[in-house]
Amino acid sequence: GGIITQTPKFLIGQEGQKLTLKCQQNFNHDTMYWYRQDSGKGLRLIYYSITENDLQKGDLSEGYDASREKKSSFSLTVTSAQKNEMAVFLCASSPTGGVYAEQFFGPGTRLTVL
Amino acid sequence: QQQVRQSPQSLTVWEGETAILNCSYEDSTFDYFPWYHQFPGESPALLIAIRPVSNKKEDGRFTIFFNKREKKFSLHIADSQPGDSATYFCAARAGNTGKLIFGLGTTLQVQP
Repeated sequence: GGIITQTPKFLIGQEGQKLTLKCQQNFNHDTMYWYRQDSGKGLRLIYYSITENDLQKGDLSEGYDASREKKSSFSLTVTSAQKNEMAVFLCASSPTGGVYAEQFFGPGTRLTVL
Repeated sequence: QQQVRQSPQSLTVWEGETAILNCSYEDSTFDYFPWYHQFPGESPALLIAIRPVSNKKEDGRFTIFFNKREKKFSLHIADSQPGDSATYFCAARAGNTGKLIFGLGTTLQVQP
């Protein structure tokens, strides 16, 4: 078994501020993901990484940067927070290869921009 | 464009009934179709999944029916229980990139 931890759990920012979210996993999974979840809009992929130092853009990468510093950690930066923005950012990981490649999700970071 | 369409947006059934959640897709390269469930305040978790080589996958009260020709798949929850109340997301994996494309979710309420 393993666990994914995300910090912080709650993040309150100001308009225009640069904000960083962190994710750690001890599954020893190769692939890690960042999703954004808005009410009524499902999960949208922001960035993913298939190995250390790799970075792939998802469908929602504009306005974000990401960094895979090491196999176990994946960071996401909101480059300029938008006023009244509210969303949950979910980190996930999965093993590479294998048919089913289940994604395991972390508890999320809830972002509120004032 | 890679999309997964999910319906209905919300569904209410009585305890003991079968809940049916539907999804469709267009991209023939999708090679894996999982369903995730998400309880309020929690993160999504894998419930059941199917590959297109099969047309049915069962796990207890949960069954996926898959129609490759029509590019549709559905989740049937038999003997629904109030504890099944959650949001259910279908997804499809793009065979070339491995990315999961999620539907918008169905919020299921099971009334006792």
